[in-house]
Amino acid sequence: NAGVTQTPKFRVLKTGQSMTLLCAQDMNHEYMYWYRQDPGMGLRLIHYSVGEGTTAKGEVPDGYNVSRLKKQNFLLGLESAAPSQTSVYFCASSPLRLAIGTDTQYFGPGTRLTVL
Amino acid sequence: AQSVTQPDIHITVSEGASLELRCNYSYGATPYLFWYVQSPGQGLQLLLKYFSGDTLVQGIKGFEAEFKRSQSSFNLRKPSVHWSDAAEYFCAVARTGGFKTIFGAGTRLFVKA
Repeated sequence: NAGVTQTPKFRVLKTGQSMTLLCAQDMNHEYMYWYRQDPGMGLRLIHYSVGEGTTAKGEVPDGYNVSRLKKQNFLLGLESAAPSQTSVYFCASSPLRLAIGTDTQYFGPGTRLTVL
Repeated sequence: AQSVTQPDIHITVSEGASLELRCNYSYGATPYLFWYVQSPGQGLQLLLKYFSGDTLVQGIKGFEAEFKRSQSSFNLRKPSVHWSDAAEYFCAVARTGGFKTIFGAGTRLFVKA
């Protein structure tokens, strides 16, 4: 049982390049989330999903897109990377026991992205 | 608006000493409250959570937190800190009726021998 895994762990991009971050969970969780973590700002929600085929915007969605084609996977895309997107990105998931946002979230190890 | 404040950016305690990390929230109704811990290079792990009931909540690794409605606080405590507790700690508040979990900026704990 791997929990939540993220690929890749590190990445360096040039401004304007695109990339996709992959999140996978093997706990059969309904809810999945993408956060970014910046110094002194805690975690901020980018997008989230309440189930396969559904996504919704979080607090800071601009410049990102997401897809949830399979229940276990949640992809975060950057179409045209900007230096402001340099951050550590965390994926999380939680079960459908309680209303979304009220249950324990299980986090992946993070992806450190640098945009030059 | 919903918000979480962790007043201390970093705290240093001696190994074996007691610890209290502060968390204050702003939310109109009874919130769902969480404390997470992040070790270097790792994701966040839940320490404990409060939904309702007993205002003193026990968590993993010997941590506890007390919900005080009158003070809008949910402070994390540990009676005796171990060197392995050095990490960053995040308080978070959530509500139902649409996903909204807000994380505090975090408090980094340093433990000295």
